[in-house]
Amino acid sequence: DTEVTQTPKHLVMGMTNKKSLKCEQHMGHRAMYWYKQKAKKPPELMFVYSYEKLSINESVPSRFSPECPNSSLLNLHLHALQPEDSALYLCASSQEGFRGNQPQHFGDGTRLSIL
Amino acid sequence: GQQVMQIPQYQHVQEGEDFTTYCNSSTTLSNIQWYKQRPGGHPVFLIQLVKSGEVKKQKRLTFQFGEAKKNSSLHITATQTTDVGTYFCAGRASGTYKYIFGTGTRLKVLA
Repeated sequence: DTEVTQTPKHLVMGMTNKKSLKCEQHMGHRAMYWYKQKAKKPPELMFVYSYEKLSINESVPSRFSPECPNSSLLNLHLHALQPEDSALYLCASSQEGFRGNQPQHFGDGTRLSIL
Repeated sequence: GQQVMQIPQYQHVQEGEDFTTYCNSSTTLSNIQWYKQRPGGHPVFLIQLVKSGEVKKQKRLTFQFGEAKKNSSLHITATQTTDVGTYFCAGRASGTYKYIFGTGTRLKVLA
């Protein structure tokens, strides 16, 4: 069982829909991450929150909007996505802030399909 | 920008054979992490290497960090079917705070 919980596990949405992905961890970790992973490719970093502040944005299109309501929760708001955004979206957390040297703990991911 | 390449891309081995994946960075790394992702699963942390020339072992797995801190390797002795998955290295370039995942090596073990 993973200690990072992501919901939903699967999501199908049209290009005009608005939806949100949720991630939760109760390990007291202070850094949380969003990654995008296409089939047979490595995870690509999208955003990093450290102590609830956005610390890294890897030039992600504005149709992806992250939010960190508190230290345990991380959301990714989706709007007007494109078919090429279909992928597995992984959330991860690490114990210290993003400057630390700690392992990342990944959730099971949300498999997103854009019609 | 920083690039992290892994070879081989795919490896099929008979159960009991050894396996090695190599990770090469275009820039010097402050540290490197290794992850395993089972088919349909998520990456799971295996180990972290920090020191130049460092060697760490976990049962049948041996991890090395190069002297120049630009490459690393993972060696599995006597593979088992449970070793199936994709192995990723993730390197953090000196002076930066984000990890770049390598291209991955997909291991298939034939019983």
